[in-house]
Amino acid sequence: EAGVTQFPSHSVIEKGQTVTLRCDPISGHDNLYWYRRVMGKEIKFLLHFVKESKQDESGMPNNRFLAERTGGTYSTLKVQPAELEDSGVYFCASSTDRSDTQYFGPGTRLTVL
Amino acid sequence: GESVGLHLPTLSVQEGDNSIINCAYSNSASDYFIWYKQESGKGPQFIIDIRSNMDKRQGQRVTVLLNKTVKHLSLQIAATQPGDSAVYFCAENKYQGGKLIFGQGTELSVKP
Repeated sequence: EAGVTQFPSHSVIEKGQTVTLRCDPISGHDNLYWYRRVMGKEIKFLLHFVKESKQDESGMPNNRFLAERTGGTYSTLKVQPAELEDSGVYFCASSTDRSDTQYFGPGTRLTVL
Repeated sequence: GESVGLHLPTLSVQEGDNSIINCAYSNSASDYFIWYKQESGKGPQFIIDIRSNMDKRQGQRVTVLLNKTVKHLSLQIAATQPGDSAVYFCAENKYQGGKLIFGQGTELSVKP
């Protein structure tokens, strides 16, 4: 069974540009989470989907971040316009049930210049 | 505020020795704790978890201890191997579901 996959693995963009990150959860996992780790700091929660609905988006830093999960399968996280402080590694995780173990993808390393 | 933190940012051990990685948490309402291992270029990998109604849980070569009195969590790795070199994160969850709150991570380095 394939694990959580993320695309791209790396992205380098200039300040003010737009970037879209994609996450494909493990098949059958209704719960999908986005996290990010800014250099040298802890991994922080961004938001949680249950199927296509946003269950908790308390960690989204501001309205430059937009997450979607149309159809309840894969999810995208768009940053528009990107700022320097958005640089970091963005992780996606999924679980079958909200009480189950969260399995993480390899992450997307975003660098904003 | 609520936080989960690690006592040491780095830990270096000799191959074959036992490793102990510590974690402190501040939210007494948390009832589920998890340890993740992150190797370079990969995402966090689940190691072991423990609920607040337990003090100890064992896995293969790993043991997690929970001391609710002092809000302390530890991960013990027996007979540490070079493949154990990674960053270890503790995380907490208030109700075994939803968002995880992570500590900063401890980098474990195993010397041959």
